Amino acid sequence: KQEVTQIPAALSVPEGENLVLNCSFTDSAIYNLQWFRQDPGKGLTSLLLIQSSQREQTSGRLNASLDKSSGRSTLYIAASQPGDSATYLCAVTRRSNTGKLIFGQGTTLQVKP
Amino acid sequence: DAGVIQSPRHEVTEMGQEVTLRCKPISGHNSLFWYRQTMMRGLELLIYFNNNVPIDDSGMPEDRFSAKMPNASFSTLKIQPSEPRDSAVYFCASSLGINSGRSRDEQYFGPGTRLTVT
Repeated sequence: KQEVTQIPAALSVPEGENLVLNCSFTDSAIYNLQWFRQDPGKGLTSLLLIQSSQREQTSGRLNASLDKSSGRSTLYIAASQPGDSATYLCAVTRRSNTGKLIFGQGTTLQVKP
Repeated sequence: DAGVIQSPRHEVTEMGQEVTLRCKPISGHNSLFWYRQTMMRGLELLIYFNNNVPIDDSGMPEDRFSAKMPNASFSTLKIQPSEPRDSAVYFCASSLGINSGRSRDEQYFGPGTRLTVT
């Protein structure tokens, strides 16, 4: 059974700091991995999607890496801003013909001005 | 595009009542997913559809839960009868289509329906 773990559960950093969020999964037979952002009381916003054949994806100040063999992904946020404060969730799909996302519990990030 | 639309945004009901949650996926998307989010269990997939056909409903907790997708632009999740433990945020998401390659797997979420059963 696929299990997704995110560490740490919560993180507080000063504005401007670079930071890394971690995601691990127990079954390396994934099709893709997706990082989401969730603001309090809101839905999920897709940030980055990495296919199993890819090593990383970048969008602006965000960079997500994937090491499928070790069952790990990281989300790197450069030059953090107070507006980055949110919960970040990673999720994996096992096979493309299911589309079934298995989510981690998330990391709640607070960026202090 | 308006994104995934869900209604109502908030629902408060008494135990035993029927609850119907609604979702309109992004136009042109062929896959639709219903999720439930609680503090204890996080985000869990309840059921998903591809081309209006239910593919996997193994996440549906009990027979009290049912979901339909009568056409490509509308889906409902019904709970009958509702119980306090059903209180959660229910999300609907859609994607271009499973088994369609790369970016078509990316799921887009609606704002959710916060359900409170008293």
